[in-house]
Amino acid sequence: DADVTQTPRNRITKTGKRIMLECSQTKGHDRMYWYRQDPGLGLRLIYYSFDVKDINKGEISDGYSVSRQAQAKFSLSLESAIPNQTALYFCATGTQAGGLRDTQYFGPGTRLTVL
Amino acid sequence: GEDVEQSLFLSVREGDSSVINCTYTDSSSTYLYWYKQEPGAGLQLLTYIFSNMDMKQDQRLTVLLNKKDKHLSLRIADTQTGDSAIYFCAERRNRDDKIIFGKGTRLHILP
Repeated sequence: DADVTQTPRNRITKTGKRIMLECSQTKGHDRMYWYRQDPGLGLRLIYYSFDVKDINKGEISDGYSVSRQAQAKFSLSLESAIPNQTALYFCATGTQAGGLRDTQYFGPGTRLTVL
Repeated sequence: GEDVEQSLFLSVREGDSSVINCTYTDSSSTYLYWYKQEPGAGLQLLTYIFSNMDMKQDQRLTVLLNKKDKHLSLRIADTQTGDSAIYFCAERRNRDDKIIFGKGTRLHILP
């Protein structure tokens, strides 16, 4: 079983719809992240959470919100989707503990298309 | 600069060595990483190096670190078709404790 799972894997939606992307992890990590990947732009950080009560904006948080429902779950919402939010979205986990502090472990990605 | 820089494309013949280069932003970064992204998949941690090391070798992979020039490279020996992927360089930047990714290098294997 995968350590970091994302649902759905693919989603097509229309402009103005509310969308939630979910991420679950079994790694026991305290830190979780949401990124989007666009061709030629690499990975850009949307939001991150260092524990259940900690939520921080990344470099491109406008138009997105997150919820850390439990240590193992971190969801990303698009309240009113727009076409330029079409991208590949990755969830990642990390830990403060141990030698590889904050090394990121990625989920398989969610491909979102907004028409 | 403020960005982690890497070239976007690299073509290599099967059996040759691939060298992917990266320049990072913070000379005091403590960890430097290479991630591999295969088509349709997420990023997978390939290898990493601590800032107090100059070189790390792991089977076909060799990572070289030049802290003075803030330059990191990944060498893949005997490149195979399964190495075709996008390779991301990343640093754990000391001054603000953030992980910064490069834009990725797409490695294309020629027959």
